Amino acid sequence: GAGVSQSPRYKVAKRGQDVALRCDPISGHVSLFWYQQALGQGPEFLTYFQNEAQLDKSGLPSDRFFAERPEGSVSTLKIQRTQQEDSAVYLCASSLGHRTNYGYTFGSGTRLTVV
Amino acid sequence: QKEVEQNSGPLSVPEGAIASLNCTYSDRGSQSFFWYRQYSGKSPELIMSIYSNGDKEDGRFTAQLNKASQYVSLLIRDSQPSDSATYLCAAISGGYNKLIFGAGTRLAVHP
Repeated sequence: GAGVSQSPRYKVAKRGQDVALRCDPISGHVSLFWYQQALGQGPEFLTYFQNEAQLDKSGLPSDRFFAERPEGSVSTLKIQRTQQEDSAVYLCASSLGHRTNYGYTFGSGTRLTVV
Repeated sequence: QKEVEQNSGPLSVPEGAIASLNCTYSDRGSQSFFWYRQYSGKSPELIMSIYSNGDKEDGRFTAQLNKASQYVSLLIRDSQPSDSATYLCAAISGGYNKLIFGAGTRLAVHP
């Protein structure tokens, strides 16, 4: 596709439920980032992939958060045993190179609400 | 202290005026800076990037960078109601081109 695609667009989860969020980056983009954006805040870095390698996961808030990109294209962010504080918009971004000064293209995000 | 700081606003300007948005950063190693616009309920959209000290102009937008003062700004000339949005300042930090965002400044342009 022409842009970064994320699904689902909205997700409501009961507290304690596991969720999986999908990101389909722009074809051929090497770098893929996940961000979490709470209401009224800027996006906060979660994790970074270069192809299939997860090179930085320093932003993942707890071991309940797990991300993968097994074939270097589509990525999945999984949250186990969701808590109310996990409610946020989860943004995926990709870029062509692994060292770039051109910023990133963001997907439309997945709005997760934990009830 | 956050790595990228912005005044949350709201910044209210009349239509046709110049809107001035400011940002400071703490990592002296940062070399690349970006301004994103985010409409309510939408994802961030890149509007300007700047890497060198001085000004960079693109249409009604001018980005300014002062590395000595660790200061980045965005000027929007002839502001329009359609410019009303949250403006996010971001800096590249670390070895993996990690974008670090400020909390954003909400801009309201009133007719």
